[in-house]
Amino acid sequence: AQKVTQAQTEISVVEKEDVTLDCVYETRDTTYYLFWYKQPPSGELVFLIRRNSFDEQNEISGRYSWNFQKSTSSFNFTITASQVVDSAVYFCALSAPTGNQFYFGTGTSLTVIP
Amino acid sequence: GAGVSQSPSNKVTEKGKDVELRCDPISGHTALYWYRQSLGQGLEFLIYFQGNSAPDKSGLPSDRFSAERTGGSVSTLTIQRTQQEDSAVYLCASSLGPAGLSTDTQYFGPGTRLTVL
Repeated sequence: AQKVTQAQTEISVVEKEDVTLDCVYETRDTTYYLFWYKQPPSGELVFLIRRNSFDEQNEISGRYSWNFQKSTSSFNFTITASQVVDSAVYFCALSAPTGNQFYFGTGTSLTVIP
Repeated sequence: GAGVSQSPSNKVTEKGKDVELRCDPISGHTALYWYRQSLGQGLEFLIYFQGNSAPDKSGLPSDRFSAERTGGSVSTLTIQRTQQEDSAVYLCASSLGPAGLSTDTQYFGPGTRLTVL
C-alpha cells in the first residue's frame, strides 16, 4: 500500500527561525517519486521539488533544503531563516509506477510569526 | 504558456442540483487529475485521465460523480444531485506524462470552490 504521513498538522515559528517539516512514506515499489507542494492562503498548489527514489542526494535551493533518506523512508523539508511569506500549508506526495495516483499527505500548516 | 485554469472559481448551488466544473490543462499535457480538498483536509484523489481515457476511476466517491475529457484537453467533472457534503474545493492538475514517469510532475489549477446550500 502507498501512504504518505505528515505527522505535524500545525507548526508556528518566529521569523528567521529554521523549521523542518517531516514526511514519511510507505511503498513497496523500488522506483517512485516524491514531491513537496506549497499551498499559500491564495489556495493554488505550487510545485517545489521532485525527487526520484534512486537519487538520495540532498538538495538545497535558496532557503529550502530537502533530506531524502530511504533507510527511514523519509523526505523532510527544511526552511532556513523562515519568512512570513513562507506561511502556507505544505504537502508531501508520492507517485509510483504501479498506479496512476499521487498519494498526498494531509499537509502541515506552517505559520511564521513576524 | 498558461497554467492550468479552472472555471468557475466559485460555485454556490442548492442541494439536489447538478453542477459542472471545468478544467483546462496546460497545453501538451497528456495526464489530467481531479482532486477534492475539504476544509482543513488533504487532497482526496478522484479520477485520472491519460489522454481521453480514465484508467482509474476508483476515487470517485459515488455514482453521482462523473468526469469526461474530450480531445485530450479540457475535462469536465459533473456532480449530480449535489449534497451538502460535496462542498469542497475541487482541484485539477495536469502533467506532461502519466504517473510514475519522469514527466509526471503535476501542476495545479486554482480550484473551484463549491458550496452546496
